[in-house]
Amino acid sequence: ETGVTQTPRHLVMGMTNKKSLKCEQHLGHNAMYWYKQSAKKPLELMFVYSLEERVENNSVPSRFSPECPNSSHLFLHLHTLQPEDSALYLCASSQARAGGTDTQYFGPGTRLTVL
Amino acid sequence: ELKVEQNPLFLSMQEGKNYTIYCNYSTTSDRLYWYRQDPGKSLESLFVLLSNGAVKQEGRLMASLDTKARLSTLHITAAVHDLSATYFCAKGGRAGGTSYGKLTFGQGTILTVHP
Repeated sequence: ETGVTQTPRHLVMGMTNKKSLKCEQHLGHNAMYWYKQSAKKPLELMFVYSLEERVENNSVPSRFSPECPNSSHLFLHLHTLQPEDSALYLCASSQARAGGTDTQYFGPGTRLTVL
Repeated sequence: ELKVEQNPLFLSMQEGKNYTIYCNYSTTSDRLYWYRQDPGKSLESLFVLLSNGAVKQEGRLMASLDTKARLSTLHITAAVHDLSATYFCAKGGRAGGTSYGKLTFGQGTILTVHP
């Protein structure tokens, strides 16, 4: 595997289900990100992890719970979602360092549909 | 709060024509990125512009940065059908109180190139 991978690629869930999205990066980066891409909104940053520590949470509802067990893996745990949470969820990674933002490399995304 | 605005949001071009996509941002900070997204696919990094006056070219695409005007442009020369995609600009910034980076994206420009 190369680059950034995400599983599953498609997910349909009911509002009472609990599911998890997985992201893995094979680039040796030290920062990972979750973004939400909806049909009518710009890409929204949800969470940033650097060196496995969450450095930013952009006021995301608590029904989204991130987990970063190590620098290569990132999870997004989902529970009691709403239909408006249906979107493409993109994971990205970068080599974050003092003095600048390095290019973020994106995974293929998980297309989530909440019924 | 950093805002990034692109125009136009929709662009329909004939093959062989030239056009420019504009990206305005509200605060001066860090780098400017251009990404491409094909339908159903993830984001692919095209360019990163580091400083005022930076110009980068790859094939029929050329990106430039004017930090005084807070403006970046993506110029398309002699468009071909393969360039049909959604193009995003993104401005780098700081995540939380750290030096680690995050991106704020524009709305995206949907480019369609017709024969």
